[in-house]
Amino acid sequence: TQLLEQSPQFLSIQEGENLTVYCNSSSVFSSLQWYRQEPGEGPVLLVTVVTGGEVKKLKRLTFQFGDARKDSSLHITAAQPGDTGLYLCAGLSYGQNFVFGPGTRLSVLP
Amino acid sequence: DTGVSQDPRHKITKRGQNVTFRCDPISEHNRLYWYRQTLGQGPEFLTYFQNEAQLEKSRLLSDRFSAERPKGSFSTLEIQRTEQGDSAMYLCASSLAGGGVAFFGQGTRLTVV
Repeated sequence: TQLLEQSPQFLSIQEGENLTVYCNSSSVFSSLQWYRQEPGEGPVLLVTVVTGGEVKKLKRLTFQFGDARKDSSLHITAAQPGDTGLYLCAGLSYGQNFVFGPGTRLSVLP
Repeated sequence: DTGVSQDPRHKITKRGQNVTFRCDPISEHNRLYWYRQTLGQGPEFLTYFQNEAQLEKSRLLSDRFSAERPKGSFSTLEIQRTEQGDSAMYLCASSLAGGGVAFFGQGTRLTVV
């Protein structure tokens, strides 16, 4: 069974602070996605990373895929209250099924 | 195309009743996935289709659950004899076969009372 772990599970920070969220697995994935989910809504795609070592930037968000394609990180610079939400990582297995981590719940206080 | 659409958004049902949810994927996407998400957890895989073929089913999908995608377009998920433990958000996603990106609908929140 492929498992994705995320850390931390909960994070509460002040506006303007930086943070990093981690997604780890013992399995290799062909690609990895990051989503943000708000209460009562479906996950919204933020980014897909495909190549080992790949780094993608989306405004204040920086995503990195590990060299071995088993782990990833999401770094947010100067967090804002609008960044509040549940951050989910999902790995696409070679069996073509998306496996999700449990999520990191981020709260950014004004 | 407005993305993945799910109906209804909310469903409250009494224990023992049957419920059916519908998912309309992005039109050119041939893969369709169903997930279940309980409060405070990440989505758990239930099943997925490529066109009309159901290619994988999770052990979470008990005999009371059935999913169909008869013409390779929309899909339905039926839960028979609902139990309180079935209360959750049911999420549908679609993607292109071989593609690495899944797009989700807004989900159907089921409450079994």
